[in-house]
Amino acid sequence: AQTVTQSQPEMSVQEAETVTLSCTYDTSESNYYLFWYKQPPSRQMILVIRQEAYKQQNATENRFSVNFQKAAKSFSLKISDSQLGDTAMYFCAFMNFSGTYKYIFGTGTRLKVLA
Amino acid sequence: EADIYQTPRYLVIGTGKKITLECSQTMGHDKMYWYQQDPGMELHLIHYSYGVNSTEKGDLSSESTVSRIRTEHFPLTLESARPSHTSQYLCASSESGSIRSYEQYFGPGTRLTVT
Repeated sequence: AQTVTQSQPEMSVQEAETVTLSCTYDTSESNYYLFWYKQPPSRQMILVIRQEAYKQQNATENRFSVNFQKAAKSFSLKISDSQLGDTAMYFCAFMNFSGTYKYIFGTGTRLKVLA
Repeated sequence: EADIYQTPRYLVIGTGKKITLECSQTMGHDKMYWYQQDPGMELHLIHYSYGVNSTEKGDLSSESTVSRIRTEHFPLTLESARPSHTSQYLCASSESGSIRSYEQYFGPGTRLTVT
């Protein structure tokens, strides 16, 4: 069974600094997607970034980038130039192509950006 | 903001009542999901659907039921609410075969309290 582990329940970072959120996963599949989702306080969950497992190049979206290490089954999120609006719960998620299209979410990391 | 809607946003109800949580999306997505999430905690998949007349139970045992008679509509019903059902319920949808394949779009959630 696939599992997703986020070992950092809470983190904080100063505004304008860089922070990295960790995520590891376990699977025997070779084709899958990995995601980082953001859930701001009392607001809808939104996608931050997506990585296809077959792509070696790390995904980037503006200030957000990932470090995808397929052999190590690691998928960390780096937030550069942190902003107050980045304060949120961040969930790492895994989805494989075995036909179920189910997503496995980690337990989340609560990030607080300090002014 | 994603075009996925949930009603009601907040519901306080007594034990034993029957309730239906509504979820609708206007994006024509084939796949829809229901998650249960305690505040600040991980998401647990309770039901999902691949399309009209398709429903499956998720990984977390739930006493709720779902139906998918129309593509855009995926209601969740609790026949007899109990205090243990107190939680937040998130609806999500996704599509396959497009450039944005497999991204899940989330609704704002329904926060349910059973007294």
